[in-house]
Amino acid sequence: QLQLVQSGAEVKKPGASVKVSCKAYGYTFNHDYIHWVRQAPGQGLEWMGRIDPSSGSTTRTQRFQVRVTMTTDTSTGTVYMELSSLRSEDTATYYCARGRMISGNFDTWGQGTLVTVSS
Amino acid sequence: QSVLTQPPSVSGAPGQRVTISCTGSTSNIGATYDVHWYQQLPETAPKLLIYGDNYRPSWVPDRFSCSKSGTSASLAIAGLQAEDEAYYFCQSYDSSLSGSVFGGGTKLTVL
Repeated sequence: QLQLVQSGAEVKKPGASVKVSCKAYGYTFNHDYIHWVRQAPGQGLEWMGRIDPSSGSTTRTQRFQVRVTMTTDTSTGTVYMELSSLRSEDTATYYCARGRMISGNFDTWGQGTLVTVSS
Repeated sequence: QSVLTQPPSVSGAPGQRVTISCTGSTSNIGATYDVHWYQQLPETAPKLLIYGDNYRPSWVPDRFSCSKSGTSASLAIAGLQAEDEAYYFCQSYDSSLSGSVFGGGTKLTVL
């Protein structure tokens, strides 16, 4: 069954980093992009960037260019998203989602990982 | 501020038809990039609802349809049912940003 399974909720202090994992099941991992989307409490969806698991090539939005690192482990079919220099505004649910084309839709989503940034 | 603009809320009575608009610009919807729609129920991940030229995943009834014209798109829901109460988001690709963009989301209330 095609699914993306993410790591569990995290609580971090301001200034720390968080690394969220997203493991793919049920399809050929290298064939499709993995995108990261976040949703602050009560807010809309914000696209953060994508990674091509076959090459490790990444694209990130301007606001996450410096603080976001996306990596892939093809041996386990897992993608990682690390967000550094956390601040309270980064408190959100982070989703990974599969996209078959750069400009396409996201047909499969992970269950989401809640990251809470609090002192 | 989202790149795509949606109304914050819409409502309708059971059985009625409602539409949700999604307005973009010449670098996204107007550049002929496809528009996709997602449904999000409370405390759950978004689910792909409609994509491209009115394609629906198997779980989506044909009461849901979409259209696009110029720099705008819309989602239509006919024969409203209580289970349709959810948030709906539009998504497209923006060539000037080289990435995907979302609307701010619309909360559908079934009266």
